[in-house]
This record gives sequence, C-alpha cells and structure tokens, in this order.
Amino acid sequence: DQQVKQNSPSLSVQEGRISILNCDYTNSMFDYFLWYKKYPAEGPTFLISISSIKDKNEDGRFTVFLNKSAKHLSLHIVPSQPGDSAVYFCAASVTGNQFYFGTGTSLTVIP
Amino acid sequence: EAQVTQNPRYLITVTGKKLTVTCSQNMNHEYMSWYRQDPGLGLRQIYYSMNVEATDKGDVPEGYKVSRKEKRNFPLILESPSPNQTSLYFCASSPHDRGVYEQYFGPGTRLTVT
Repeated sequence: DQQVKQNSPSLSVQEGRISILNCDYTNSMFDYFLWYKKYPAEGPTFLISISSIKDKNEDGRFTVFLNKSAKHLSLHIVPSQPGDSAVYFCAASVTGNQFYFGTGTSLTVIP
Repeated sequence: EAQVTQNPRYLITVTGKKLTVTCSQNMNHEYMSWYRQDPGLGLRQIYYSMNVEATDKGDVPEGYKVSRKEKRNFPLILESPSPNQTSLYFCASSPHDRGVYEQYFGPGTRLTVT
C-alpha cells in the first residue's frame, strides 16, 4: 500500500508562472519530508526538505508547505523556468531511516 | 568531486545467474541505501545501512542481499535474479547527521533479466 501518493502524473505550466506539485501521505508518524528532481538518465537530486516541526521552508524559487492535519505536502516553484522541466518525487521518513517515495509528477514548463 | 558511483550502468543477464551491482561514495557518509524505480511505482527502497555492519530491510527486500563491510561501499547482490527484478536501480548516500537526511543518488543501473 502506497504510503506517499502523488496523484497528478503530469503538470504543464507556462514559463514565469507558479508550479504547484502536491503530495499526500497516510502515515502520521512521518516527521521528515523531501522533494527530489529527476532528469532522464540521471539519478534524483535533492531539492528541498522540511521537518514536521515546521509548516514552511523556502529556498530561492522553491518553497515546501506542510499541512500535518491534512497529511499534505506541496512544492511551489516561482517563477517556473524551462530548466525546471523534470520528474519531481516527494519522499517521507520517520527519523531518516526508511524512506517512502511517491510515484512522481512530470513537470513541463512551456517557454 | 563528491559523488556516488555505480557499476555497471547497464546489465542484461539471464534468470538465476548471480550478479552484484557495486556502489561507492567518496563523501564519508554514514547512511547508504538501494532503491528500484519501476513505471507507475516510483522509487521503492530495497535496503539501507546506517553504518558499517548495520543493514536493514526497506520496503521491497525480497530477492536481494546487501553488505556493508566498509563505509564507502554498499554492494547489491542478486543471488538468483528473476525477470520481475528487471528495473532501474539507484544507490544513494546521506550524511545522516544532525537531522540532515537528504540523499545523494548515483546515476542508476538498468538491469534486464531474461
């Protein structure tokens, strides 16, 4: 049973606009969440993380929001750029031991 | 250059022929892990290791073995590969220090079992 879900397999956004990628989880014990970006033929690369003691973390154009009561995580990219086109995975963990990943959302930023 | 390396990058083998995929990191990371990526299933963790001689099962450990005899190396062993182990495999490492759990991934190994 998938403990971390990304219900949108794909998303298209115009360059310069906001991209919002969503992630839901079922395990209330998860206390650490991460987003990774993956280009074809490469391994995933870390983007941004958030611990459960926070509800927002920002790093440049990337912001992650955590809503613990809804068990929902989102990644906002503002402004979106063509180089952001990739597959995005969210991941969750309990104290950083075992990790659970979502199925990924393919983002296309249209120039 | 800080990196995680995996070998081989591509491998085609037959059912039942034992194989090993090597993984090495040069960042002195405590934590290492193996994942498989399959269409529609995302990344699933196979095994992880918190330190030398300490390994634990992930979500999908069946049919795999690992060992961690040295900090830098974490090989993945398939004793008797089967076609359902055809997949894209990633090794990753993490400092796992003071609440920093981000992982650095290798480039991937595409395995086909016929």
